[in-house]
Amino acid sequence: EVQLVESGGGLVKPGGSLRLSCAASGFPFSNYNMNWVRQAPGKGLEWVSSISSGGSYIYDADSVKGRFSISRDNAKNSLFLQMNSLRAEDTAVYYCARDTSSGWFAGWGYWGQGTLVTVSS
Amino acid sequence: EIVLTQSPGTLSLSPGERATLSCRASQGVSSSYLAWYQQKPGQAPRLLIHGASNRATGIPDRFSGSGSGTDFTLTISRLEPEDFAVYYCQQYGSSPPHTFGQGTKLEIK
Repeated sequence: EVQLVESGGGLVKPGGSLRLSCAASGFPFSNYNMNWVRQAPGKGLEWVSSISSGGSYIYDADSVKGRFSISRDNAKNSLFLQMNSLRAEDTAVYYCARDTSSGWFAGWGYWGQGTLVTVSS
Repeated sequence: EIVLTQSPGTLSLSPGERATLSCRASQGVSSSYLAWYQQKPGQAPRLLIHGASNRATGIPDRFSGSGSGTDFTLTISRLEPEDFAVYYCQQYGSSPPHTFGQGTKLEIK
């Protein structure tokens, strides 16, 4: 069974940093592109960042570029999101999501339960 | 950047009725890269449709997707009580960002 479990969320002051983790199991992690998506309270989904299966290709939303950094450790079946210079508008539930297919885009069929990040003084 | 605009913002229908949700792109989107998700309160999104018209594994056949270019549609043929939720379209570009629409809330009338 595919499982994605996020952790690392919490309350942080503006300008602070946080590192989110996503522990993956039940599938060959190194074969799949991975993604972070966030959802501010009462708002819609916002794509944050994506990383290719081997980690060579990284894409970030303009809203987080230069502040957030996605990475992965295929040996430990883990995905990370390093978040620096946090702002109030970064407050959201952060989900990790896996491409359904390893070979082509077939949607993001697997999602974690999300971890809440609150940026407030 | 491709912007996806979903309509209506809220759709009020009764169980048994047909729901038609629209997703319009600011530029042409490859059908291969258009997906639909369902999200219920307190839950992660659930993939319904990929490639504009392909149901994901385990999705009932009352859900169908269609469209091409800039206009895409999600249709739910006969609404079940569990279908009332928020629905998002997503485009996955070869050049990110992989944008989502703002969502359509499907509520019980």
